[in-house]
Amino acid sequence: DAGITQSPRYKITETGRQVTLMCHQTWSHSYMFWYRQDLGHGLRLIYYSAAADITDKGEVPDGYVVSRSKTENFPLTLESATRSQTSVYFCASTSNPETQYFGPGTRLLVL
Amino acid sequence: EDQVTQSPEALRLQEGESSSLNCSYTVSGLRGLFWYRQDPGKGPEFLFTLYSAGEEKEKERLKATLTKKESFLHITAPKPEDSATYLCAVQARSGGYQKVTFGIGTKLQVIP
Repeated sequence: DAGITQSPRYKITETGRQVTLMCHQTWSHSYMFWYRQDLGHGLRLIYYSAAADITDKGEVPDGYVVSRSKTENFPLTLESATRSQTSVYFCASTSNPETQYFGPGTRLLVL
Repeated sequence: EDQVTQSPEALRLQEGESSSLNCSYTVSGLRGLFWYRQDPGKGPEFLFTLYSAGEEKEKERLKATLTKKESFLHITAPKPEDSATYLCAVQARSGGYQKVTFGIGTKLQVIP
């Protein structure tokens, strides 16, 4: 199906474990983004990418790593999960930096 | 620092009862203001982009307007399917395209 997908949709993990959240888009959009959404906060940018092999930090990058070897994929890795990383994670993509199209989200619980 | 404040936090309307949601913002040079709709358990869905004061955009029962300090999302004769959280975001001219600041949102409930 065309669009932007995220996997897994739900994930429970333990403190200290490595977790990778996947994001895949079929539009060949150049730009991709990772956000987290927490109660009492607006969406906050973790990392973004302007093209394959070009990534940069957003507002809250600590504890996260990204890569983008292919245009369509933008995985987000939590190297050693902490409870403060319990959140809902959204991936977004766009060909126009002004209008972003969001995936369905991954709900992550770190115990 | 760019800021976005949305009010009210929650709004309950009877079906057909028109109202407006507010988005107040401060930004060092506005590139664009965005409205998104977010349904429970889903990602935000793009609605509108506004670029300059005085601009208006419409989509079905929704109309977004922009001034130099705030934006309004007017909902005319809402239906239960309009129930959702509406997010406002601003993008500054400086700081790069990735610098988009989101508000917390207004949760709208439309009762039949």
